[in-house]
This record gives sequence, structure tokens and C-alpha cells, in this order.
Amino acid sequence: AQTVTQSQPEMSVQEAETVTLSCTYDTSESNYYLFWYKQPPSRQMILVIRQEAYKQQNATENRFSVNFQKAAKSFSLKISDSQLGDTAMYFCAFMKYNNNDMRFGAGTRLTVKP
Amino acid sequence: DAMVIQNPRYQVTQFGKPVTLSCSQTLNHNVMYWYQQKSSQAPKLLFHYYDKDFNNEADTPDNFQSRRPNTSFCFLDIRSPGLGDAAMYLCATSTLTVNEQFFGPGTRLTVL
Repeated sequence: AQTVTQSQPEMSVQEAETVTLSCTYDTSESNYYLFWYKQPPSRQMILVIRQEAYKQQNATENRFSVNFQKAAKSFSLKISDSQLGDTAMYFCAFMKYNNNDMRFGAGTRLTVKP
Repeated sequence: DAMVIQNPRYQVTQFGKPVTLSCSQTLNHNVMYWYQQKSSQAPKLLFHYYDKDFNNEADTPDNFQSRRPNTSFCFLDIRSPGLGDAAMYLCATSTLTVNEQFFGPGTRLTVL
């Protein structure tokens, strides 16, 4: 079974600074997808960024980028130029290739301070 | 805008009184999911439908049932809610070709 571990229950960062959220996972699969989802307080979960395991290049979406280390089974999220609106719960998630069963980590609560 | 809609957003029920939560989607996705999310925890998959094929997670209690009458709608029925069933219930949709799940805003269930 796949497991996803987020070792940082809570983090905080000053506005405009950079923060990195950690995620590790365990799988015997070679093809899979990794995701970071954001869940703002009292709002719905939205996709931040997605990485396909067969792609070596790290995914980037504007201020959000990942550091995907397949051999180490590590998938961290870097948020640059943090904004107050980035305050949210962030979930790392794993999904096998051609299988819609998504497994989530326990989440990291990020607070961006003014 | 295409979206996933959940009604109601907040539901209060009494211990043991059946309750139904609703999810609808305008995305025309063939896969729909129900997750249970307790406070400050990760969403836990209860079951999902691939079209009309129902897939139950092994550890989902029998107290939880689901119906999908058509592509657009999916319902979560809790036959006899207990205090431990108080949680946020999330509906999500996807397709097999788009490897991303789209979430609704959730229904927060309170059991008195």
C-alpha cells in the first residue's frame, strides 16, 4: 500500500519570503502521479501543482515549484514570495498511474504572517 | 463555470437519524468520489463510482451507503449517524484521462 508522510504539521512564513513544505512517500510503483493540494480555511480544496513520475523535470506553476527526488521518494513544495492568501492547509497526495485512487498525507498547516 | 456542487454546506442531524448528502457536477466526469475529513486530518476515501460501477473501500463502515442515479449526481447516505461520524464530507470528480481530482466545497456534518 502507498503511504504519504508530511512531517511538518504546522509552518509559518513571513509575507514575501520563501517556504518549503516536505513530503515523502512509499511505493513500489514506477509510474505514478504526485500532487500538492491547497485547502484554505472554510474553502474547497484546489490543485496547486502536479508531477508525473516519469518526468525528470520539476513542475513549476508561477510561485509554486517542486523538488521531486524519485530515488529518495521525496516531493517537496516551494512557495516563493509568499502571500497572505497562501495561508491554508497543504496536502501532498499520491496516485498510481491509470488508477484514480488518491492517497493523501496528513497535511501541513501554513500560516503566512504580514 | 463547470464545477462540483455540494448541498447542503452544513448539515445537523441527531444521533441515529438517517441523513443524505448531495453532490452534483457539471464537468461530465465519469468518476465521482466521497471522502470523509475529520478535523485537521487528511481526507479519507470512503468509496467511488466509475460510471455506475461502485467501489467501496475495505474499511468503510456499512453505515455509509452511496447512490449515483446518473452521471451528474451522487449521494452519500448515512443510515444511523454516530457522534464519530461528525466530519467534513468532500465530493470529488475526475476522469481516467485527466489525472486530477476536482473537489466540491464540502458538507460539514454535525451529529447531536
